[in-house]
Amino acid sequence: EDQVTQSPEALRLQEGESSSLNCSYTVSGLRGLFWYRQDPGKGPEFLFTLYSAGEEKEKERLKATLTKKESFLHITAPKPEDSATYLCAVQDWGYETGANNLFFGTGTRLTVIP
Amino acid sequence: DAGITQSPRYKITETGRQVTLMCHQTWSHSYMFWYRQDLGHGLRLIYYSAAADITDKGEVPDGYVVSRSKTENFPLTLESATRSQTSVYFCASRTGSSYEQYFGPGTRLTVT
Repeated sequence: EDQVTQSPEALRLQEGESSSLNCSYTVSGLRGLFWYRQDPGKGPEFLFTLYSAGEEKEKERLKATLTKKESFLHITAPKPEDSATYLCAVQDWGYETGANNLFFGTGTRLTVIP
Repeated sequence: DAGITQSPRYKITETGRQVTLMCHQTWSHSYMFWYRQDLGHGLRLIYYSAAADITDKGEVPDGYVVSRSKTENFPLTLESATRSQTSVYFCASRTGSSYEQYFGPGTRLTVT
């Protein structure tokens, strides 16, 4: 069974204090790994898709990287507006619904203190 | 650019009642999805649709019914609501050529 584990569950950073969020996954075959941002009371907002080990994507202060077993979301010099829950999801070649089921982790709740 | 809209945003209903959650998208995306989000479980897929009149079960379909007569609409019906169906429900969509899904704002459903 597919499994996605995110750590830490919660992270408090001072403004400007860089850190990384982790997403470990177990799949039969990775079709894609997705990062989302979710603000309280809102739907997840798409950030990145990673397809193969070694791939990296960047957007403003965020950088996502992928290995064969995990992905990291690096946050450089975060600002209070980066406070949100960050969700990781994987899509498995081997799962019977194939392209149509994203398996989500439970997220990392990030708080950036001014 | 409305994207995906969901209605109602909040709903309180009683056990045993039928309730329908609406989802509408303006992007003409072929795929649409329904997820539920519960503490400790993350988002779980209930049903999805690859096109009008084509639907299939996800991870947690029991107690739910879907239909898709038009590409832009994908309603989710709880035929006889139970307290275990208290949750936040999200609709999502994607194109046929890429895998990232785009989510609506959610419906918070409470079954008393």
